[in-house]
Amino acid sequence: EAQVTQNPRYLITVTGKKLTVTCSQNMNHEYMSWYRQDPGLGLRQIYYSMNVEVTDKGDVPEGYKVSRKEKRNFPLILESPSPNQTSLYFCASSLRAQGPGTEAFFGQGTRLTVV
Amino acid sequence: RKEVEQDPGPFNVPEGATVAFNCTYSNSASQSFFWYRQDCRKEPKLLMSVYSSGNEDGRFTAQLNRASQYISLLIRDSKLSDSATYLCVVKDSWGKLQFGAGTQVVVTP
Repeated sequence: EAQVTQNPRYLITVTGKKLTVTCSQNMNHEYMSWYRQDPGLGLRQIYYSMNVEVTDKGDVPEGYKVSRKEKRNFPLILESPSPNQTSLYFCASSLRAQGPGTEAFFGQGTRLTVV
Repeated sequence: RKEVEQDPGPFNVPEGATVAFNCTYSNSASQSFFWYRQDCRKEPKLLMSVYSSGNEDGRFTAQLNRASQYISLLIRDSKLSDSATYLCVVKDSWGKLQFGAGTQVVVTP
């Protein structure tokens, strides 16, 4: 089954404790991205990756890191989480950035609370 | 100003009725347009792409007006299962997706 898988689905952590949210897709998609969703603001892009070893900042990259060592995986790293990073996070992938096949497929989301 | 703006609603719609709503976008160079559906903080799922000539998918009709920079979604014969938040999504020439905050639709018996 074609899918985007995120883990964990729910996480409560303390300020400053490094964490990683994993994202994996089995569709051989080139383009992957991370979003956070906050009430009234819609989804905002954190980082994106056009392909292996190619990553770039989105609209709200502060406090986050990513890597793309393999095509299927795109982990999101919070080196020192803070309460303002409490949010609902989605990973998404699409076949490519441009042209046909640009619709995005989303993971099930990770609800992160930082206390 | 937000890149993509939507009326947050809620639009309360009797079952069987028709509902329509728009979203406006600010980037005239936007390339692709989509409507996504999101249920209760679950992941967004693609409802339909929006093409320049307008397109239908069953009870759903999407229109694009490039001159006025808006997209519309019309739902005919509303079902209870259509209750959800509908996200307007615009892709720019770099492949970046811009999301509206969503329009909530509540279909009532």
